[in-house]
Amino acid sequence: SAVISQKPSRDICQRGTSLTIQCQVDSQVTMMFWYRQQPGQSLTLIATANQGSEATYESGFVIDKFPISRPNLTFSTLTVSNMSPEDSSIYLCSDYDPNTEAFFGQGTRLTVV
Amino acid sequence: QKEVEQNSGPLSVPEGAIASLNCTYSDRGSQSFFWYRQYSGKSPELIMSIYSNGDKEDGRFTAQLNKASQYVSLLIRDSQPSDSATYLCAVNYGGSQGNLIFGKGTKLSVKP
Repeated sequence: SAVISQKPSRDICQRGTSLTIQCQVDSQVTMMFWYRQQPGQSLTLIATANQGSEATYESGFVIDKFPISRPNLTFSTLTVSNMSPEDSSIYLCSDYDPNTEAFFGQGTRLTVV
Repeated sequence: QKEVEQNSGPLSVPEGAIASLNCTYSDRGSQSFFWYRQYSGKSPELIMSIYSNGDKEDGRFTAQLNKASQYVSLLIRDSQPSDSATYLCAVNYGGSQGNLIFGKGTKLSVKP
């Protein structure tokens, strides 16, 4: 299984600012995903990070708000832009190989004040 | 709309008992099924994966899949207080697409 390192692990940010979350995998993976977990809720997929092309966003999520980069097969970033208190959540990155399972980074707990 | 349904709980069982967690899914084309355990404030941790009908056992955990009934379950034998967590059922509808749909999770409490 891949080891996924995510940082920062937590942050408190002012509304209107942006935060970039980094996700590093210790091996090359085909797919990387970004999820949001709002307080008391399950995981909601934000987007699929594609290497060499634009990310694929799920309904309700847009690139201007959540720009994503995937410069290579081991690294991705998610930016939460122009933050508001409603963006306070845990953000998780994940890899997935259809032949195995999905594993998660340790998550970024974001609080917007 | 592809959905994964779980009872939110909380499910409370005494230490040493069997905990039974259930999950249903809406799309018959689903191919892969996963159970994750999530402790409060932590990220999900893979417990079991199952891909074909029947039972799959790993230590104290048994996953059961019934594709005809669109039903997957997780049994935890000899439950321990350390098993107290939220258990998330996840379904891969997309084959090579990879993205998982998660249920809302069942909160399990194992009482000493």
